[in-house]
Amino acid sequence: SQQGEEDPQALSIQEGENATMNCSYKTSINNLQWYRQNSGRGLVHLILIRSNEREKHSGRLRVTLDTSKKSSSLLITASRAADTASYFCATPINYGNNRLAFGKGNQVVVIP
Amino acid sequence: EPEVTQTPSHQVTQMGQEVILRCVPISNHLYFYWYRQILGQKVEFLVSFYNNEISEKSEIFDDQFSVERPDGSNFTLKIRSTKLEDSAMYFCASSEGAGRQETQYFGPGTRLLVL
Repeated sequence: SQQGEEDPQALSIQEGENATMNCSYKTSINNLQWYRQNSGRGLVHLILIRSNEREKHSGRLRVTLDTSKKSSSLLITASRAADTASYFCATPINYGNNRLAFGKGNQVVVIP
Repeated sequence: EPEVTQTPSHQVTQMGQEVILRCVPISNHLYFYWYRQILGQKVEFLVSFYNNEISEKSEIFDDQFSVERPDGSNFTLKIRSTKLEDSAMYFCASSEGAGRQETQYFGPGTRLLVL
């Protein structure tokens, strides 16, 4: 089954605006993680939210988790040109130890 | 800040050739992983490795693939006889401990092109 499935959006915003992207998943999870990938580069871990948490902040990032709806959102506030990247959510597969299942990613372009 | 490193950054090979992708995980981490991302597609799990043995592998990780930790710092992925469809970005990752609450830290990737 597919886990960590983002709404397959390409988002284009002006610098200073907020960017919101969503992710849904299908089975029970222990945590959900968000990663950023700059074009053709590696994956940078942004934030991990546990299943017993509803909201988490890290700098300009705000992540929410709704386990009843099996969904998560990532909000980037006061966006900068450097935030231009693809953003992926990932969840551990239940039957494995740390095997992560990634969504397709949201491409965000921040226009200076 | 400690980081996962990978070499080479790019590799071009002929179909049927063997390739070895190298990774140096973060030094105090105990769990190691390989993922791959075919262009335009999702990041896919290949294998996890702990205590010098494979702890889990996906259906992608067939007999053509193998992993090894030849010394205290390197972690390698070998593809014995490459196919065109092996062309992808290969990511190594490591995590400090066990359990599903552990953050995995990814390297910058090796872009493999099979001709």
